[in-house]
Amino acid sequence: DSGVTQTPKHLITATGQRVTLRCSPRSGDLSVYWYQQSLDQGLQFLIQYYNGEERAKGNILERFSAQQFPDLHSELNLSSLELGDSALYFCASSGVGTRGYTFGSGTRLTVV
Amino acid sequence: GENVEQHPSTLSVQEGDSAVIKCTYSDSASNYFPWYKQELGKRPQLIIDIRSNVGEKKDQRIAVTLNKTAKHFSLHITETQPEDSAVYFCAARRRSNTGNQFYFGTGTSLTVIP
Repeated sequence: DSGVTQTPKHLITATGQRVTLRCSPRSGDLSVYWYQQSLDQGLQFLIQYYNGEERAKGNILERFSAQQFPDLHSELNLSSLELGDSALYFCASSGVGTRGYTFGSGTRLTVV
Repeated sequence: GENVEQHPSTLSVQEGDSAVIKCTYSDSASNYFPWYKQELGKRPQLIIDIRSNVGEKKDQRIAVTLNKTAKHFSLHITETQPEDSAVYFCAARRRSNTGNQFYFGTGTSLTVIP
């Protein structure tokens, strides 16, 4: 267990629908990062939050949004889903003095 | 921002041989370079890292070297075993006033042939 918790582990939904992915960072970590990994692809950075505030944006579509709550957990909202949104979505957290990221186990989203 | 390039994208070696994966970065402000191993369908896991004030670090069969002047760093795996087969990602961390920002390479798929 890495200390970063992601739910759900698997999600199957239809095109046009909306889903919410949840991430709880490791205890004490203030930064949360979201990544998308499509089949046989690298890690595409989506967005970063630090202590509740958005700090950096990557290649995140307008249909996607995220937030970090006062208890530091984060949610990634994906709407108007398309087949191409099928991917593994990873959350990672980091904190002061920590080494690298710690990744969660990911949410596998399948859009049918 | 930072740009991390990683080569090769795929690598096949015979069991027992060595494997080398190379990365370059562009931002001289980057000061920490972790390497992650990702097995199929699993989360990336940190396997070794190096800070900018160190030139080389070794952990059993895995070593990482850093050349700050040339802005490149490499992962070396010796005496490869089938369980080393995975995708390996390099990353560079750049500190800013908004916290750490990590930039990843595109990954190297390593296959160790028994």
